[in-house]
Amino acid sequence: GNSVTQMEGPVTLSEEAFLTINCTYTATGYPSLFWYVQYPGEGLQLLLKATKADDKGSNKGFEATYRKETTSFHLEKGSVQVSDSAVYFCALSGRNQGGKLIFGQGTELSVKP
Amino acid sequence: GAVVSQHPSWVICKSGTSVKIECRSLDFQATTMFWYRQFPKQSLMLMATSNEGSKATYEQGVEKDKFLINHASLTLSTLTVTSAHPEDSSFYICSAPGGSAGSPLHFGNGTRLTVT
Repeated sequence: GNSVTQMEGPVTLSEEAFLTINCTYTATGYPSLFWYVQYPGEGLQLLLKATKADDKGSNKGFEATYRKETTSFHLEKGSVQVSDSAVYFCALSGRNQGGKLIFGQGTELSVKP
Repeated sequence: GAVVSQHPSWVICKSGTSVKIECRSLDFQATTMFWYRQFPKQSLMLMATSNEGSKATYEQGVEKDKFLINHASLTLSTLTVTSAHPEDSSFYICSAPGGSAGSPLHFGNGTRLTVT
C-alpha cells in the first residue's frame, strides 16, 4: 500500500541555517505530494504541494521537488527563522482516493535564535 | 479560501460519558470529510471517512460503535466518542477536500480530548 517515510526529528537549527527534511514515498501510480505544517496546539496548514513529476512546490521560502526517479519530496529552506519552529508532515494522496491523505510520521523542527 | 471549522477546540470529560465533535465546511460543500487522530508527537492516523447521505467508512482497527460518525449535511460532520475512556484522550482533527477538483485537504484546528 501507499506509505510515506520522513527523517526523524527533532531537528534543531540556528536561525538562518539551511534546512532539509527528507521525505520518501511508496505508491502505486502517480500520487500528489504535500507538505503540511503544524504549529503548537494547532491543526494542520498546507505548506506546499506538487501534483506531478518534476513539479516544484514553493511557499514562504520553502521548496520541495517531486522526484519520481527517487520517489522523494524533500523539503528545503535556505534560511530558517525562529517562527518556522513547528512539526512538518509529508503526505501523499493517491489518484482516485477522494483526497484521502497518507501522512509521514512528522518531523519536529526547532529553530534557536 | 476554503475553511474548515472544528468545535470544540478542547474538551475534558469523565470516563463513561460521550463527547461530540463537530466539523463544518464554512464556504464550500463537502460530501466527504476525513477524521484523523493524533497521539502526542506522532503522526495523524486516518480513523474514518465520513460520507454525506451514507454510512462512514472506517479504517481497520477503528471501532465503529465507539466512534460514531454522522454526516448530517453537505457542510457538517460529527464524531461522537461514546463511553469515553482515558485511552481515548487524543487530538482529533477533521478535514475536507476543497471545493474544486484537485484542491488539497483543508483541516480543522483540531479538538484536544482529555478523558479523566
